[in-house]
Amino acid sequence: SQKIEQNSEALNIQEGKTATLTCNYTNYSPAYLQWYRQDPGRGPVFLLLIRENEKEKRKERLKVTFDTTLKQSLFHITASQPADSATYLCARSFYNQGGKLIFGQGTELSVKP
Amino acid sequence: DAGVIQSPRHEVTEMGQEVTLRCKPISGHDYLFWYRQTMMRGLELLIYFNNNVPIDDSGMPEDRFSAKMPNASFSTLKIQPSEPRDSAVYFCASSLGGRPGPGYTFGSGTRLTVV
Repeated sequence: SQKIEQNSEALNIQEGKTATLTCNYTNYSPAYLQWYRQDPGRGPVFLLLIRENEKEKRKERLKVTFDTTLKQSLFHITASQPADSATYLCARSFYNQGGKLIFGQGTELSVKP
Repeated sequence: DAGVIQSPRHEVTEMGQEVTLRCKPISGHDYLFWYRQTMMRGLELLIYFNNNVPIDDSGMPEDRFSAKMPNASFSTLKIQPSEPRDSAVYFCASSLGGRPGPGYTFGSGTRLTVV
């Protein structure tokens, strides 16, 4: 089966540093990988999407990469701030599965001042 | 737009009772998704609709779960009878088009507790 795996251990970093979160997938390359942010008691909020033919995508302090050889996506937050503390979810979808979106378990990020 | 609206926000019910969760998607969105989130299993896709038609219900745990979308602006997820293991946060999400260009918009969720 197709799996999306994220590091279940929480990531703790100092304010101002770059946070890097990892998303690994098995078997076939997903058509798209999406990254979401989830705060306690709230629903996930869409951040970025990257297609399998794209190497990198940026949005303000956020950067996502997609390496089909390593079967991995990396999510970077540069100049991190305490307000970036949240759980970050990776999700994949395939061309032949319509709108179906499958999520990883998420990685909790804590940015200390 | 008010976003995806779910009700109730919290539901506490006794085992064996029927539970109905409600969702109003963003106007104009043609895809609607129901997810369940627990600490153990994370965010699981239960079922999704396209233009009010169920497309994939392979994630529905068992026959006790059913979902309907009678029109483009309303969907329900029903559990009958409910069991303690159904306790979770249930999210509804909607999107425009099957290709996730703009991402999916989630509601705030319904926290269900079955005692």
